[in-house]
Amino acid sequence: QLQLQESGPGLVKPSETLSLTCTVSGGSITSNSYYWGWIRQPPGKGLEWIGSIYYSGNTYYSSSLKSRVTISVDTSKSQFSLKLNSVTAADTAVYYCARHDYSSLSYGMDVWGQGTTVTVSS
Amino acid sequence: QSVLIQPPSASGTPGQRVTISCSGSSSNIGSNYVYWYQQFPRTAPKLLISRNDERPSGVPDRFSGSKSGTSASLAISGLRSEDEADYYCAAWDDSLSDPWVFGGGTKLTVL
Repeated sequence: QLQLQESGPGLVKPSETLSLTCTVSGGSITSNSYYWGWIRQPPGKGLEWIGSIYYSGNTYYSSSLKSRVTISVDTSKSQFSLKLNSVTAADTAVYYCARHDYSSLSYGMDVWGQGTTVTVSS
Repeated sequence: QSVLIQPPSASGTPGQRVTISCSGSSSNIGSNYVYWYQQFPRTAPKLLISRNDERPSGVPDRFSGSKSGTSASLAISGLRSEDEADYYCAAWDDSLSDPWVFGGGTKLTVL
């Protein structure tokens, strides 16, 4: 059974870079050529798509975050990663990684990680 | 303001049938699949309905999805106390620079 697990620091200082990794297990990150994405949820608020990456490395980002976001993939480790620089308190959220349910970005996310809470504070 | 519009709350009594609406436009719901997610407090969203009306394995048939034009609905029949959760709709939007759009979420209360 496919499982996704986020990892990374739970506390990041303002203006620094948030770095998270999603490890894929129970299946290959390259099998069936899925897209893999990052979504976040600020406290008490709804879901916000951050961006997604294809196993080959093609990336697509939210326009509101594009200038600060980098998503990368390491197929040898079955991992994909998120970097968000110049963070502020507004970036405090639960961050989820997820798999799109087909080899097209326009298909929704079917498998989600459990989420990791990131707080931006000095 | 979310691109997809959901009522902030819904409620029903055990055994009732409840529907949650999701209103969009021709560039999202009108031309792409709709997905529904169920989220309990402090847990990750769970896929409830895929591609407008498909139930993933393990999702009870009490849950059903439908789409008509630029709106979609999630129906829950035989409401149970354990259905109390937040429900989100989502769809791809052809026109936006942020193509993945979510509804603002509906908090379902079982009275």
